[in-house]
Amino acid sequence: DAGVTQSPTHLIKTRGQQVTLRCSPKSGHDTVSWYQQALGQGPQFIFQYYEEEERQRGNFPDRFSGHQFPNYSSELNVNALLLGDSALYLCASSLGGGASTDTQYFGPGTRLTVL
Amino acid sequence: GQQLNQSPQSMFIQEGEDVSMNCTSSSIFNTWLWYKQDPGEGPVLLIALYKAGELTSNGRLTAQFGITRKDSFLNISASIPSDVGIYFCAGRTGNTPLVFGKGTRLSVIA
Repeated sequence: DAGVTQSPTHLIKTRGQQVTLRCSPKSGHDTVSWYQQALGQGPQFIFQYYEEEERQRGNFPDRFSGHQFPNYSSELNVNALLLGDSALYLCASSLGGGASTDTQYFGPGTRLTVL
Repeated sequence: GQQLNQSPQSMFIQEGEDVSMNCTSSSIFNTWLWYKQDPGEGPVLLIALYKAGELTSNGRLTAQFGITRKDSFLNISASIPSDVGIYFCAGRTGNTPLVFGKGTRLSVIA
């Protein structure tokens, strides 16, 4: 039973560039949530996708956007990268949207460095 | 917005000792969760709490939902080297997204 997978593992970009991160949820899960974890901080909720729609959004600018595909996998896109976007980006999957995040499973994350 | 204060920020303990950490919120939560994160991994859920006053155990771990609904506590008994990691509390109210604390980094000295 495959767990949550994320790609790439590491990524280096320069300011102003755009980046796309990918997530495949755990088998049987239909909900994907994205989190940003800055160094020394806890994860911060970006948004949640369920039934191919953004259902909830945290306090992030619209430079952060996402997509969920029919197979439940998801992408996180960040435009016009800033130095402060450097962080570990975590994807978590669960079943049933909404408060199903209580039983979500996290992937290992993508480490993004913006130079 | 909601903020979680987690303490201590870090702790160094001897193997076999008991550990206590806590988390306080500026507002009332109706769900408290405790996670552990190992290096290079995402957080893993340890314990979920849904009722004020609730006390729940998972092996050597015990967590409590504070009666004020603004705090939660995690205890680890008889620590072992594999307990090393960062422990996060997280909470929410209603269907709002989870809010995480900044974590407690635990180091165990053999």
